[in-house]
Amino acid sequence: QSVLTQPPSVSGAPGQRVTISCTGTSSNIGPGYDVHWYQQLPGTAPKLLIYGNNNRPSGVPDRFSGSKSGTSASLAITGLQAEDEADYYCQSYDSSLSVVFGGGTKLTVL
Amino acid sequence: QLQLQESGPGLVKPSETLSLTCTVSGGSISSSSHYWGWIRQPPGKGLEWIGSIYYSGSTYYTSSLRSRVTVSADTSKNQFSLKLSSVTAADTGVYYCARVGGSSWKEHNWFDPWGQGTLVTVSS
Repeated sequence: QSVLTQPPSVSGAPGQRVTISCTGTSSNIGPGYDVHWYQQLPGTAPKLLIYGNNNRPSGVPDRFSGSKSGTSASLAITGLQAEDEADYYCQSYDSSLSVVFGGGTKLTVL
Repeated sequence: QLQLQESGPGLVKPSETLSLTCTVSGGSISSSSHYWGWIRQPPGKGLEWIGSIYYSGSTYYTSSLRSRVTVSADTSKNQFSLKLSSVTAADTGVYYCARVGGSSWKEHNWFDPWGQGTLVTVSS
């Protein structure tokens, strides 16, 4: 059972917009700790997609965006492409001095 | 370009100690700008943070593994290491090392970049 809750799967057709939610609690996302997102393509290491709630590292397309409100965060992907099919993970900090991850969401491009 | 590479035995017997090393190139672990960390992923499952270390030796560990885990650094070799004792089959998985986003553990705790990962199987 992961500390942060994500839907197990989401899907969308090419060109569409999808969102992935990440729900935390008053000890992690709630107190104002930032949320980060990773993309893990099949058989590869995770790659940082969004840091500090809504910042994209260099090289990440602006089709990817993040937001946070209260104890939840969301990752939005617009103009969905076949290459976006991957697992997506959210991550935050917990008041117990720990880093916590969501359980992951598998994105299927129809 | 910063690169990280995990190394160590791919097979460990139950009750023994898992030992992995992360070799960093293209940057220095002695930099005061970043923490360094270990994350693992059981087969077919999600990510789990294990622990992180600062160049000064300051460490943070996940509570569920704290009694069994040690993360250390060898600045002369530009490496940091993971030791996990008394392993069981539940410790099987891919182990990743990564650089932490910054020097503030509370604020800059994202991981980037990651090593390619190494599969460790616990079996007799």
